[in-house]
Amino acid sequence: DGGITQSPKYLFRKEGQNVTLSCEQNLNHDAMYWYRQDPGQGLRLIYYSQIVNDFQKGDIAEGYSVSREKKESFPLTVTSAQKNPTAFYLCASSILAGRAYNEQFFGPGTRLTVL
Amino acid sequence: AQKVTQAQTEISVVEKEDVTLDCVYETRDTTYYLFWYKQPPSGELVFLIRRNSFDEQNEISGRYSWNFQKSTSSFNFTITASQVVDSAVYFCALSEANDMRFGAGTRLTVKP
Repeated sequence: DGGITQSPKYLFRKEGQNVTLSCEQNLNHDAMYWYRQDPGQGLRLIYYSQIVNDFQKGDIAEGYSVSREKKESFPLTVTSAQKNPTAFYLCASSILAGRAYNEQFFGPGTRLTVL
Repeated sequence: AQKVTQAQTEISVVEKEDVTLDCVYETRDTTYYLFWYKQPPSGELVFLIRRNSFDEQNEISGRYSWNFQKSTSSFNFTITASQVVDSAVYFCALSEANDMRFGAGTRLTVKP
């Protein structure tokens, strides 16, 4: 089945550690995105990528890093510089480059907790 | 800057009641798209509908209907004869140019 997978589903991290969240899609979508969701808030964009080896910062990129070495993969690293990383992280993808006009398809999310 | 407001934080209804989720948006562009997504307890957002700014026709899909009114900058979502499985958080989103913004979401609880 086509879709987006994220792993792990739950992740616990000690303060000062970097962690990487995985996102893979087999939809052959060009664009991929990372969002952060906090309780009672909408989604906020961290990073997005429209093509391989290229990505742009979203609204809250500080403390995060990404790579896009393959079309189907867009891992997110939460670094120790991120002051408040505990949140629910959602990965999405969409057909064609450009975020504006195409619906995004979402993965099941990773819940990150900093201990 | 574009903005999406979902004023209803939480709504609770009894099964079979109709319920409307409000969405008001702000944008300076004449070309934009509006979306609704459903987030069930599992966490994954499910795409429901996309509407472009040039198409104000209302849309109906089964028990779901959407009312797009540019005059009031609103894109409201109505569930008719609600069911327990409709319980979720619903997000409205606005996309223009190269930017997409989500509202804060409305948590809908449908009680049996």
